[in-house]
Amino acid sequence: GAGVSQSPRYKVAKRGQDVALRCDPISGHVSLFWYQQALGQGPEFLTYFQNEAQLDKSGLPSDRFFAERPEGSVSTLKIQRTQQEDSAVYLCASHTGFSEQFFGPGTRLTVL
Amino acid sequence: GESVGLHLPTLSVQEGDNSIINCAYSNSASDYFIWYKQESGKGPQFIIDIRSNMDKRQGQRVTVLLNKTVKHLSLQIAATQPGDSAVYFCAESSNNTNAGKSTFGDGTTLTVKP
Repeated sequence: GAGVSQSPRYKVAKRGQDVALRCDPISGHVSLFWYQQALGQGPEFLTYFQNEAQLDKSGLPSDRFFAERPEGSVSTLKIQRTQQEDSAVYLCASHTGFSEQFFGPGTRLTVL
Repeated sequence: GESVGLHLPTLSVQEGDNSIINCAYSNSASDYFIWYKQESGKGPQFIIDIRSNMDKRQGQRVTVLLNKTVKHLSLQIAATQPGDSAVYFCAESSNNTNAGKSTFGDGTTLTVKP
């Protein structure tokens, strides 16, 4: 497909487990963003990549959160030692420049 | 079924009526504003955008108004349809930071009654 894809769509983890969330941006999109969306709220910025360079990680809640995009295309958001407050939808978005961002469907993470 | 000036978390309108969804933003340095529509189980979908050097922009059935003096943004939907039912978010960003990092406002849940 031509859109942003994310996998898995749903993830249930026990508290303390590590999880990895994948984002496949639209081909050719230089910029990639990760957002966290808590239930009933708007998305909140986590981190931003331009190609493989992580230019802003100011939104990552703690050092348990780590993101990478080693070849400038696919990105992975990793959360170590998950906690209940990490439960949220994690959204990935990509775009070519400054305007419209294209969002993926998100990964719903539930930490028990 | 309109609300003007005040942000409401929910808005219910009759099919065929016009809808107005309001948003206040906080950052005076923001120079780019976007409205997104988010349906259940999906990511936000771009509707329309506006830059700070404009005060109005029209799309298909949608109009965005920007009032920089009071830092207020509104989305008008003409002839609202059941398929317009969703959560609507405004977002702001600055051309000076991170090429599009967006700060989202509080959402408004629009329900269209047939």
